[in-house]
Amino acid sequence: GAGVSQTPSNKVTEKGKYVELRCDPISGHTALYWYRQSLGQGPEFLIYFQGTGAADDSGLPNDRFFAVRPEGSVSTLKIQRTERGDSAVYLCASSRLGQETQYFGPGTRLLVL
Amino acid sequence: GDSVTQMEGPVTLSEEAFLTINCTYTATGYPSLFWYVQYPGEGLQLLLKATKADDKGSNKGFEATYRKETTSFHLEKGSVQVSDSAVYFCALNRIRDDKIIFGKGTRLHILP
Repeated sequence: GAGVSQTPSNKVTEKGKYVELRCDPISGHTALYWYRQSLGQGPEFLIYFQGTGAADDSGLPNDRFFAVRPEGSVSTLKIQRTERGDSAVYLCASSRLGQETQYFGPGTRLLVL
Repeated sequence: GDSVTQMEGPVTLSEEAFLTINCTYTATGYPSLFWYVQYPGEGLQLLLKATKADDKGSNKGFEATYRKETTSFHLEKGSVQVSDSAVYFCALNRIRDDKIIFGKGTRLHILP
């Protein structure tokens, strides 16, 4: 079956603009995670959904970052008033309920100029 | 807090050489341990995992053994190939909230 997909694959924006990043998890996976991977670093946790609700958003760096998953499938990560420091690869992963193995998408590379 | 430390890269080896990428962890309790791989232009893929002490994870010729006494999970392969060139991430699953904590990654270059 299809894996986790993310769109766009690349996004270039200007400082201060608003961006939305989309994640389409594997069908049937109830858990969805967002991570941010800065250059030369490992992925860092941002937020976790179980179904439609954000079960844990403790990794979001500040209130400019927000994510939704209104129907328990596709998720959108939203970044307001982007800053150059937001430039990174944003990764999405999904997993089945009760299983710890997460399956990652290819990521969205965000560049804020 | 929980953390993962892995050897810094890049690591450059010739084809058929023996590979070791060191990984140690700090954690409360006994987390599951993972190695993920990121091939050029692709997403992170789970390479192997081990869920308890002395377990050995293996896949594609790679192996890693969960060593509780040394809090380590070193990745090994007996004979690397050019196609193994990638970035390798050691990670743990934090018990209290199921979050995955990643190391910084080790870039591996295999020369033909």
